[in-house]
Order: sequence, then structure tokens, then C-alpha cells
Amino acid sequence: AQSVTQPDIHITVSEGASLELRCNYSYGATPYLFWYVQSPGQGLQLLLKYFSGDTLVQGIKGFEAEFKRSQSSFNLRKPSVHWSDAAEYFCAVGSGGGYQKVTFGTGTKLQVIP
Amino acid sequence: DTGVSQDPRHKITKRGQNVTFRCDPISEHNRLYWYRQTLGQGPEFLTYFQNEAQLEKSRLLSDRFSAERPKGSFSTLEIQRTEQGDSAMYLCASSLDGRRSNEQFFGPGTRLTVL
Repeated sequence: AQSVTQPDIHITVSEGASLELRCNYSYGATPYLFWYVQSPGQGLQLLLKYFSGDTLVQGIKGFEAEFKRSQSSFNLRKPSVHWSDAAEYFCAVGSGGGYQKVTFGTGTKLQVIP
Repeated sequence: DTGVSQDPRHKITKRGQNVTFRCDPISEHNRLYWYRQTLGQGPEFLTYFQNEAQLEKSRLLSDRFSAERPKGSFSTLEIQRTEQGDSAMYLCASSLDGRRSNEQFFGPGTRLTVL
């Protein structure tokens, strides 16, 4: 069965500092990997996705993530955090193929301080 | 592209009552998913439709829950005899067949509170 672990429940960073959110997955084959962001009262918005090719993936809002098969990881990074990045971030793994069953992690809540 | 919409956005009900939620997917999307998200958790898969056919149901979907997508467009999720444990955010997502990554687009959710 596929699963996702986000070890950090809550992270606080200063505005302008760099950010890395950790994600480890478990999946038997080549995974489809996603990062979503959820702001209060909003639905989930896709930041970026990986399913093949270059292991460094660029997303929206200046985010990037790197797929490391040997570590079963897909960490999300941003070089300089803005106050508007405060939200909850979810890593997810999908089975791909004709039907995409997606399993989400428990999320990391990001707080940005001035 | 107007996005996925859900109605209502909030629902407060008393234990034992029935509730129904509606999801309107992105118009050309033939796949539709329902998820449940409780506080401090990520979304958990409930069920999936391809066109009007319900192809998979999670064990989380007890017999008090029923979902339909009668014409392959909008979908409804009904919970009968609600319990306090049903309090959660119910999310709907849609995707388009044939896109390699099968990206799912999420609606804003319906927050259910059972008193």
C-alpha cells in the first residue's frame, strides 16, 4: 500500500529565510508525487508534481522539489519565504495510470514570522 | 474553466439528520473523487467515479454514506443518520482522462459540523 510521511507537523520560519519541508513516501513502483498547499477556507492547490524525467521539479510561487529515489523522498524547497506562504502543505503519492488513487500525508503547517 | 465548485460551503446539523452535498466538477472532466479531511489530517479518499460509474469505494465509506453521479456531470454525497464522528471537511476533486499525470483539481470543500 502506498503511504506518505511528513515528519514535521509545524514549522516556523522568518520572512526571507529559506524553507525545506520534508516528505517520505512508500510505493512499490515509480510514484507520481505531488505537493499541494491549502490556505484557511480554501481548497487544495497544486504546487508541483513529478512523474518522470528531471528529478528537480519547478512549481508555482517559486517552489521546487527534488525526487530522490534512493531516499524515497520528495522534499519541497523555497529559497526565500514570503508572509503569504503561511499555509498548510501536503505531500501526496499517486498510483498513476488510468485511475489516480492519491494518498496524502498529514500535512505541515507553515508559520511565517516578520 | 470555472474550477470545481461545492455546495454548501458549510453545514451544521444535528446528530441523526441526513445531509447531502453537491459537487460540480470542471466541465470536461470525466473523473470525480470525494475525500474527507479531519482536523490535523490530510484528505482521505472516499470514492471515485469515472463518468457515471462509481468504480471504487473506500472502507471509510460506511453504509450510511452514498454517492451518485447520475449523468456523469455533478455528483452528490449523502450521509444518513449523521454522527458526531462525521464532522469533517468533505472535498471533491475532478480530473480528465488521458492526461498522463491525472492531476486532480480540488474544490473548496464542504465543512460539516454535527452537533
